[in-house]
Amino acid sequence: NAGVTQTPKFRILKIGQSMTLQCAQDMNHNYMYWYRQDPGMGLKLIYYSVGAGITDKGEVPNGYNVSRSTTEDFPLRLELAAPSQTSVYFCASSRPGLAGISQQFFGPGTRLTVL
Amino acid sequence: AQKVTQAQTEISVVEKEDVTLDCVYETRDTTYYLFWYKQPPSGELVFLIRRNSFDEQNEISGRYSWNFQKSTSSFNFTITASQVVDSAVYFCALSEGYNAGGTSYGKLTFGQGTILTVHP
Repeated sequence: NAGVTQTPKFRILKIGQSMTLQCAQDMNHNYMYWYRQDPGMGLKLIYYSVGAGITDKGEVPNGYNVSRSTTEDFPLRLELAAPSQTSVYFCASSRPGLAGISQQFFGPGTRLTVL
Repeated sequence: AQKVTQAQTEISVVEKEDVTLDCVYETRDTTYYLFWYKQPPSGELVFLIRRNSFDEQNEISGRYSWNFQKSTSSFNFTITASQVVDSAVYFCALSEGYNAGGTSYGKLTFGQGTILTVHP
């Protein structure tokens, strides 16, 4: 059981380039999330998904896109990278249950630098 | 809108001291959940505790304890007899509550974190 995996671990992009951050989970969780963590700050929600084919914006969605074609995968697309997108990106997943809102399980993060 | 405030940016203690990390939250939801996560220097996020809004019973788990006070909108975290391995960034987080249809998507609002350094 690998939990939540993210690739790549590190990436340097030039301004204007595009890339996809990959996220996968093997826990059969319905809910998946993307957060970004800027230096010295807490995490902020970019996008989330409550199931295959269903996504919605979080607090800071500008400059990003997501898709969810399977339960397991939730990739995050950066179009036209900007220095303001330099951050650490975390993917997370959770499963709603009778016990209420459960903890989110986080991936190890992707450190992205845009120069 | 939801908000989480961790007023302590950095705390430095000597090993074996007790330390309390403060968390104050704002929400209009009547049902919500609060969390504490730890981020060690390696960078991953480690879940510590979840508490729902209708359970104000405080909890002790080994050297950790939590004090939830709904009247003051606070959810503080105490480490007793701190150790060097406790050095990390600690985040308090608030989940959205349930909508009229009884659904919550568990979206989290994080505080800015408290950097705890425990010196030997």
